[in-house]
Amino acid sequence: SQKIEQNSEALNIQEGKTATLTCNYTNYSPAYLQWYRQDPGRGPVFLLLIRENEKEKRKERLKVTFDTTLKQSLFHITASQPADSATYLCALDHSGGYQKVTFGIGTKLQVIP
Amino acid sequence: NAGVTQTPKFQVLKTGQSMTLQCAQDMNHEYMSWYRQDPGMGLRLIHYSVGAGITDQGEVPNGYNVSRSTTEDFPLRLLSAAPSQTSVYFCASSSETGYTGELFFGEGSRLTVL
Repeated sequence: SQKIEQNSEALNIQEGKTATLTCNYTNYSPAYLQWYRQDPGRGPVFLLLIRENEKEKRKERLKVTFDTTLKQSLFHITASQPADSATYLCALDHSGGYQKVTFGIGTKLQVIP
Repeated sequence: NAGVTQTPKFQVLKTGQSMTLQCAQDMNHEYMSWYRQDPGMGLRLIHYSVGAGITDQGEVPNGYNVSRSTTEDFPLRLLSAAPSQTSVYFCASSSETGYTGELFFGEGSRLTVL
């Protein structure tokens, strides 16, 4: 069956360090993969999208990699700040058409001052 | 710039009651969808629409009804509420062209069914 896996355990890191979050998937061949940020009591907010033919994408302190052989995406936040504390969701498209997107359960990141 | 607006933010229902969650977007997006988010299960797609007059089922459509009479609005109807429908509901929209896939979410509607 199709599955998206994110670390369900919270990730605690020290301010200034690089946070790395993992998203693994099985039995999908996604055209693209997205990362969202969700704060408590709020809706998810789009951060980055990476396509299947792209290995890496950057946006300010954020970096996403996409390895279709390993079926894995890594999401990095460099020079992390307490304001980066949130839950991060990965999502992938498996329909190739009308943007039916499937979400992982998310990883909660806590950046400690 | 309002984006995606959901109402109500909170609602308590009794089993068997019906209600409608409202969703409106002002970005002229063709694609709109409804998700529910439950602890430990992530966001699950209920119904989606690719334009006015067109709707389709997602992963968990049972007990819910949708219609899309305008580009802006995509209401979600609970026909006969059940405790299993206690959840946080999110409406999302996206531009159909370009297939960037970026979803814009509302702030959510927290529903409790007693």
